[in-house]
Amino acid sequence: QKEVEQNSGPLSVPEGAIASLNCTYSDRGSQSFFWYRQYSGKSPELIMSIYSNGDKEDGRFTAQLNKASQYVSLLIRDSQPSDSATYLCAVRAAGNKLTFGGGTRVLVKP
Amino acid sequence: DTEVTQTPKHLVMGMTNKKSLKCEQHMGHRAMYWYKQKAKKPPELMFVYSYEKLSINESVPSRFSPECPNSSLLNLHLHALQPEDSALYLCASSPTRSSYNSPLHFGNGTRLTVT
Repeated sequence: QKEVEQNSGPLSVPEGAIASLNCTYSDRGSQSFFWYRQYSGKSPELIMSIYSNGDKEDGRFTAQLNKASQYVSLLIRDSQPSDSATYLCAVRAAGNKLTFGGGTRVLVKP
Repeated sequence: DTEVTQTPKHLVMGMTNKKSLKCEQHMGHRAMYWYKQKAKKPPELMFVYSYEKLSINESVPSRFSPECPNSSLLNLHLHALQPEDSALYLCASSPTRSSYNSPLHFGNGTRLTVT
């Protein structure tokens, strides 16, 4: 079992719709969770971090964390073509390295 | 614009060449990282430096040699690479290695091609 799992996609959503990305992790000691966006050929860019159960909103992005279910998600509201990218979920336990999921490719169609 | 600067942006080298990748950050971060990323794969951790000391080596072949001359600089020396080492090499930094809420800030990467 992989430590951090994501559906590879592609997740195809129409412009203006909500994109919903999911991530599960295996280490119950994980304490911090990050979502990175990566455009093709570019480096990962941090878009959200979340540390406690519940929702965290930042602009069109909402991260949701459920530690009991070992699940973290990212919602992108009012999706734009510029949101087309690969979204990487990353998980860290205290003092440990950051572990990345395989990434979900999102395609927003005009 | 990223606050972690990597040079060069692109590098083509032969299997007998020696080259170096450079990374610089001025955010006062005390942890610096090298990652390797192949196409359509997530970044893979290679090395971690914490307070200028090597703290993690993910069993990377010795043809990759990291160096941290000071708290702002991180180098990756390359020698006798193989074509399969062609990848995007990413440098990252964080305030500390052990703080659980420290996200990594990535540089723009060096696209390496080994011929």
